[in-house]
Amino acid sequence: EVQLVESGGGLVKSGGSLRLSCVASGFNFINAWMSWVRQAPGKGLEWVGRVKSKSDGATTDYGAPVKGRFTISRDDSKNTLFLQMNSLKTEDTAVYYCVGGVDAWGQGTLVTVSS
Amino acid sequence: SYELTQPPSVSVSPGQTAKITCSGDALPKKYAYWYQQKSGQAPVLVIYEDSKRPSEIPERFSGSSSGTMATLTLSGAQVEDEGDYYCFSADSSGDHSMFGGGTKLTVL
Repeated sequence: EVQLVESGGGLVKSGGSLRLSCVASGFNFINAWMSWVRQAPGKGLEWVGRVKSKSDGATTDYGAPVKGRFTISRDDSKNTLFLQMNSLKTEDTAVYYCVGGVDAWGQGTLVTVSS
Repeated sequence: SYELTQPPSVSVSPGQTAKITCSGDALPKKYAYWYQQKSGQAPVLVIYEDSKRPSEIPERFSGSSSGTMATLTLSGAQVEDEGDYYCFSADSSGDHSMFGGGTKLTVL
C-alpha cells in the first residue's frame, strides 16, 4: 500500500522558519519525482515545487511565490522528503501535501503563519 | 507567468454528461492531468497523460486534449462525483508545473 505521511506542521510567526517531512512507503521512492503542493483555506491547489530523482539529477524547481525562501530536499536512504520554509509570510498559511509522482498524495499537514 | 484556466463551476443533472475544460498555451506540448477533490480530503488522480484513466477510477471519467484545451468528461454524472476538479500541467520549459483554478462540479 502506498503511503505518504507528512509531519512538522504547526503555528509559526511571520518571518519564522519551519521544516516539513514526508515519509514514503509502498512505492519506489528512489526513482520518484517528489513534489510539495499546498492549499490555503478555502482556496485551490498550488504547486510549491519538486525535486527530481537522483538518476535525473535531483534538481529542484519552485513556484514563484516561494522561490528563494523554500528549499526541497530528499533523503533516499530514509525514503523521506523535506520542505524547509524560511522567511514565512501569512500568505503561506495552508495545508501542505507531499506528492509522489503524480498519483500518490499524503493527507497533508497544516502550517499556520501568524502576524 | 503561465496559467491554466478553468471555469469556476459546472452544473449537471444526474445521468447527464459534464464537461470541464482547461486551457493553456503549452497544452499542445505538455500532458494534462486531472484531480478530483472532495471536501476535507486529499486530491485523487482521475486522468493522467491527457486521456489515461487509473484502474480504480470509474469508466465514466474520460479525458481528451486538442490544441490549447484539455477536457475532462463525466458521462453519466452521479451525485457522488460532486467536488472540485483541478487540471495540472507544466509550462513549455517543463521546469514549472501549475494547477488550474479549479472547477466546482454540482450534480443535482
